[in-house]
Amino acid sequence: AQTVTQSQPEMSVQEAETVTLSCTYDTSESDYYLFWYKQPPSRQMILVIRQEAYKQQNATENRFSVNFQKAAKSFSLKISDSQLGDAAMYFCAYRDGGSQGNLIFGKGTKLSVKP
Amino acid sequence: NAGVTQTPKFQVLKTGQSMTLQCAQDMNHNSMYWYRQDPGMGLRLIYYSASEGTTDKGEVPNGYNVSRLNKREFSLRLESAAPSQTSVYFCASSPKGFGNTEAFFGQGTRLTVV
Repeated sequence: AQTVTQSQPEMSVQEAETVTLSCTYDTSESDYYLFWYKQPPSRQMILVIRQEAYKQQNATENRFSVNFQKAAKSFSLKISDSQLGDAAMYFCAYRDGGSQGNLIFGKGTKLSVKP
Repeated sequence: NAGVTQTPKFQVLKTGQSMTLQCAQDMNHNSMYWYRQDPGMGLRLIYYSASEGTTDKGEVPNGYNVSRLNKREFSLRLESAAPSQTSVYFCASSPKGFGNTEAFFGQGTRLTVV
């Protein structure tokens, strides 16, 4: 069964600095997708960034980028120029390429941003 | 554009009571999902419905039932609530499975069973 591991329960970053959140996963599939979701105190789940396993190029979305290492099964999220609004829980998630695939979530990393 | 709407947002139940969590989406999505979120556990899939008329168990289905009433609505029922079902429940939808497309989540229901 596929698993997703986030080894950092909590992280802290100074405003305007850069922080990297770690995620590793385990799968025997070759076709899959990876996601980072943000959950602020409002509880809303917000998609931050996604990566297709077949793409070698790392995905970027404004201040958010990933370091996707397929062989190492690693998918870290880098947040540049951190802002106070980035404070939230961040979840890494995995999905098989099959059309009925479930999203499998890690346990989350709580990010605090210090002014 | 409402997206995914869950009701209620908060609920307190006594052990043994029953209730139904409602979820509706207005995006014409085929697939709908129910997750529960517990502290330190991430989100875990309870049930999902790949299309209207079909439902399947997820990782933690015990104690729950679901109904895909039509394409828009997917309800989650607790027949006899237990304290272990205290959690935050999320409904989600996507066009066809998740693929690499965004899954849309409701705002969650915080359920407390006393």
